[in-house]
Amino acid sequence: QKEVEQDPGPLSVPEGAIVSLNCTYSNSAFQYFMWYRQYSRKGPELLMYTYSSGNKEDGRFTAQVDKSSKYISLFIRDSQPSDSATYLCAMSYNFNKFYFGSGTKLNVKP
Amino acid sequence: ETGVTQTPRHLVMGMTNKKSLKCEQHLGHNAMYWYKQSAKKPLELMFVYNFKEQTENNSVPSRFSPECPNSSHLFLHLHTLQPEDSALYLCASSQDVKRDGSYEQYFGPGTRLTVT
Repeated sequence: QKEVEQDPGPLSVPEGAIVSLNCTYSNSAFQYFMWYRQYSRKGPELLMYTYSSGNKEDGRFTAQVDKSSKYISLFIRDSQPSDSATYLCAMSYNFNKFYFGSGTKLNVKP
Repeated sequence: ETGVTQTPRHLVMGMTNKKSLKCEQHLGHNAMYWYKQSAKKPLELMFVYNFKEQTENNSVPSRFSPECPNSSHLFLHLHTLQPEDSALYLCASSQDVKRDGSYEQYFGPGTRLTVT
């Protein structure tokens, strides 16, 4: 079983839609949860970081962690064509090692 | 623009060649990482260096040999690679692996490696 599972997509939505991206994981020791965005021909960049369970909001982005279900989500409100990218979830329990999902490719159509 | 640079951006090499990938970070960080990114697979951590000391080797084959001469530079030496080693190789840096809260990794643009 993979440590982190993520639906690869692609996910195609119209501009302005609410996007929901999800990951599940198997290791209950994970405490730190991150979402990265990766544009084509670029390295990943950190979008959101959450410690333990709960919600975190930053502009149009909301990250949710449900440790009891081992499930994390990233919501994007009012999606824009510039949000088209691959979104990677990542998690860690000690910061020495990070476990990534395979990424979900998102396409926001104008 | 990212504070982590990688060269070359693209590399094609035969299975008998020896080549090196270079990473440089301009962020004053103390930890550096090598990752392998293959299509439709999770990012795979290969090596971690913290204050120039290797702290993680994720069971990487010996045909990949890392070198970290100082906290700003990281190399990945390649020799006798296999076609399945073709991938995007990403370098990242962070402030300090062990200090709580220093979670943010800054990634370079990667080197697209093709082994023929």
